[in-house]
Amino acid sequence: DADVTQTPRNRITKTGKRIMLECSQTKGHDRMYWYRQDPGLGLRLIYYSFDVKDINKGEISDGYSVSRQAQAKFSLSLESAIPNQTALYFCATSERTSGRVADTQYFGPGTRLTVL
Amino acid sequence: SQKIEQNSEALNIQEGKTATLTCNYTNYSPAYLQWYRQDPGRGPVFLLLIRENEKEKRKERLKVTFDTTLKQSLFHITASQPADSATYLCALLYNQGGKLIFGQGTELSVKP
Repeated sequence: DADVTQTPRNRITKTGKRIMLECSQTKGHDRMYWYRQDPGLGLRLIYYSFDVKDINKGEISDGYSVSRQAQAKFSLSLESAIPNQTALYFCATSERTSGRVADTQYFGPGTRLTVL
Repeated sequence: SQKIEQNSEALNIQEGKTATLTCNYTNYSPAYLQWYRQDPGRGPVFLLLIRENEKEKRKERLKVTFDTTLKQSLFHITASQPADSATYLCALLYNQGGKLIFGQGTELSVKP
């Protein structure tokens, strides 16, 4: 089984709808991240969480919210989806940093979201 | 703010040749620099990590160099194969416990 799973894998929705993307991991990592990827822009950080009680905004958090329900689960919500949120969304995990691993990240397979 | 630049144009090479990808950054040097591989429709996969006090790191056919004077990392794939075709991302970490900043990636195509 995959270590980092995302659901759904594909979603088409309409402007104004509320959408939740879910991420689960079996790696036992404390740290979890949500990114979006757009052509030519690379990966941009939306939110990150270093443990269950720690949630932080990333580079592009406007229009998004997150919930860390447990060490293994981190969900991303779009309260009112808009077309420019159409993108590929990735969840990632990493171990607590040490010199050896230095936040090496493990990515899920991605969710392709289309907002019409 | 910190900027990372990777070749935006795709790199096309012949099988067996060495592929060299470039990652340039501005301002101050990161504590760590990582390289990831991404196949179409899939999440990035970690390949190699190099620290600011290391000049070079190798893993099988892969080699990464890190020049803090030039503010540049080079990623080499020797004896390239069509299976190496993918997009390669560099990512910078500025302090332990910090966040990774990713470049936009360079697409590599290895022709038989």
